[in-house]
Amino acid sequence: RKEVEQDPGPFNVPEGATVAFNCTYSNSASQSFFWYRQDCRKEPKLLMSVYSSGNEDGRFTAQLNRASQYISLLIRDSKLSDSATYLCVVNFGYSGNTPLVFGKGTRLSVIA
Amino acid sequence: NAGVTQTPKFQVLKTGQSMTLQCAQDMNHNSMYWYRQDPGMGLRLIYYSASEGTTDKGEVPNGYNVSRLNKREFSLRLESAAPSQTSVYFCASSLSQGSSGNTIYFGEGSWLTVV
Repeated sequence: RKEVEQDPGPFNVPEGATVAFNCTYSNSASQSFFWYRQDCRKEPKLLMSVYSSGNEDGRFTAQLNRASQYISLLIRDSKLSDSATYLCVVNFGYSGNTPLVFGKGTRLSVIA
Repeated sequence: NAGVTQTPKFQVLKTGQSMTLQCAQDMNHNSMYWYRQDPGMGLRLIYYSASEGTTDKGEVPNGYNVSRLNKREFSLRLESAAPSQTSVYFCASSLSQGSSGNTIYFGEGSWLTVV
C-alpha cells in the first residue's frame, strides 16, 4: 500500500519561531518528493521539490532521508503568512510514471 | 493566466441527481486528474488521465465516471449523487507523469453538497 504519513498538528508557533515537519513514506523505491502548501478553502500549490541533497528556498529548507524513508520541511523565522496546511507528496512510481500520493497535511498556525 | 479552470464552484444536488464537473487547462499539459478532499482524509485521487485518450481509476473511483474530451478538457460525472459524495473536488494537471514533469497545478475547487 502506498502511504504518506504526516503529523496533522496543529502546530501553533509564535512569529519568528523555527518549526519543522516530518513526513514518512512507505516505499523505499519512491522517486520524487514535494511539499505543497494549502491555504484554507484554497487549492494546493507547490511550495518546493525535495532533492536528495536537500534544498533551500529562502526561509524554507527541505531534506530527504532515503534510508529512513522520511522527508522534512524546516521553516525559519515564521511569518503570520506561513499559516497554512503543508502537504507532503510522493511519487511512488519506479519510473515516475504514476500519480502522486498526497499526505493528509500538517496544519501550521503562526501567532502574533 | 487561467491555468486550470473548473466549474461550477458551488453546487447543491439532491440524492439521485446527476451532474458533470467541467475542467479545462491551458498549459498544454498531457496529464489531468480529479481529486476529492474531505476533512481528515486528505486529497484522494478519483480518476486520472495520463494522456489524451486514456483514463485510469484512482483510489476512490466508485460512483464516478470521467471523460478526457481532448487534451485540454477532463470532466467528472456523478451519475446518481449520494450524500457520501459531498466533498470538495479539485481538478489538476501536470505536464506528464514522469518525475521531471510531476508538478501538479490545481484548479480552485468545486464545493459539492448532496442532500
